[in-house]
Amino acid sequence: DQQVKQNSPSLSVQEGRISILNCDYTNSMFDYFLWYKKYPAEGPTFLISISSIKDKNEDGRFTVFLNKSAKHLSLHIVPSQPGDSAVYFCAASSGNTGKLIFGQGTTLQVKP
Amino acid sequence: EAGVAQSPRYKIIEKRQSVAFWCNPISGHATLYWYQQILGQGPKLLIQFQNNGVVDDSQLPKDRFSAERLKGVDSTLKIQPAKLEDSAVYLCASSSLGYQAFFGQGTRLTVV
Repeated sequence: DQQVKQNSPSLSVQEGRISILNCDYTNSMFDYFLWYKKYPAEGPTFLISISSIKDKNEDGRFTVFLNKSAKHLSLHIVPSQPGDSAVYFCAASSGNTGKLIFGQGTTLQVKP
Repeated sequence: EAGVAQSPRYKIIEKRQSVAFWCNPISGHATLYWYQQILGQGPKLLIQFQNNGVVDDSQLPKDRFSAERLKGVDSTLKIQPAKLEDSAVYLCASSSLGYQAFFGQGTRLTVV
């Protein structure tokens, strides 16, 4: 039972262009969503988050959009840089438990 | 601020052997998590501690996995006996308030 899904295993974009990473969820009780970035041989690092009471949160080059009716969120990176190349995980939580349910991850490659 | 420390970084053992992983969370973080990340998948929560009490261990294979958190600070995760399917990266994370968890670099376990 995969409650959080990232259906694109990989994404390749050109430097300077926009990267859009998608995530779908099934549990309507989720009320907080996070994106983590992971480089090889390192642990995931927090990138950006959004509460279910919002539909957009922006932090520099990173913007997360939440569509609750579609149970869908997306991460936009603009402009993309080669250093953004990493695995991106979408995660969801409910009820302030702190427990995170992760998607499978999407490997982003930004080409110079 | 020092991050989450884990050791060892890598471990290779034969099946049916036992292994233990250690985690030192960020100072002051009351919540500690152990996640298992199998290759190609997202991290999956094994156990969550609040101080030295277990909050959630519903996905911990208790016939072979055990974990403890000493005095509400450091934690150890043990596998005994190990199986081939336990090969994964074991991630420790900690958090204070809210959902954002900080991850260590992980321990890569290979069971042969």
